[in-house]
Amino acid sequence: QSVLTQPPSVSGAPGQRVTISCTGSSSNIGAGFEVHWYQQFPGTAPKLLIYSNSNRPSGVPDRFSGSKSGTSASLAITGLQAEDEADYYCQSYDNSLSGFHVFGTGTKVAVL
Amino acid sequence: EVQLVESGGGLVQPGGSLRLSCAASGFTFSNRAMSWVRQSPGKGLEWVSAINGGGDTTYYADSVKGRFTISRDNSKNTMYLEVNSLRVDDAAVYYCAREFHSNKGVSFDYWGQGTLVTVSS
Repeated sequence: QSVLTQPPSVSGAPGQRVTISCTGSSSNIGAGFEVHWYQQFPGTAPKLLIYSNSNRPSGVPDRFSGSKSGTSASLAITGLQAEDEADYYCQSYDNSLSGFHVFGTGTKVAVL
Repeated sequence: EVQLVESGGGLVQPGGSLRLSCAASGFTFSNRAMSWVRQSPGKGLEWVSAINGGGDTTYYADSVKGRFTISRDNSKNTMYLEVNSLRVDDAAVYYCAREFHSNKGVSFDYWGQGTLVTVSS
């Protein structure tokens, strides 16, 4: 059972801005641990999209941005494109007794 | 170019065992901690296990503790996951991933293509 909660799906028209929330707790995001985001297309491995809350690896378009506040984090996609249709997962660290690296529940982004 | 290639998956009966491998190239393998992450069909990602660069410190998710064993052979640039006492809910694609350590967190900057483990009688 994931300890980071994301909306199951979000959608937008091409060119629009969409945001995906990632809600945690005081044992993970709220404890100051960084949040990372991954993009996954069907049948392929996840790809690191945002690391350390708001940093983009080389090659990731600046349409993707991340932020963190309190016990939550967000991924924003501006200028949505058809190729952005994929699953997105947040990830952090949890320092509870049963925690370690934890992933969000995942969000399907649909481009209308 | 960093490459991670998993192998060893397959069909196994409940209670059975497998040894998964992850062959790494394109970076100094012994300098980097590594993890296994799995994804059940149609489901989300679940971290399974991690090992430090030297191979002397390991971590496990509660769901696999006592049944899975992570190890590495730095002379062969390869990481392993021994999966024992397999249950139906262990069925998943198993990915190996390279860890990137930052100030207050660990992300997974490179992933393999995954190897499928099917548990069925």
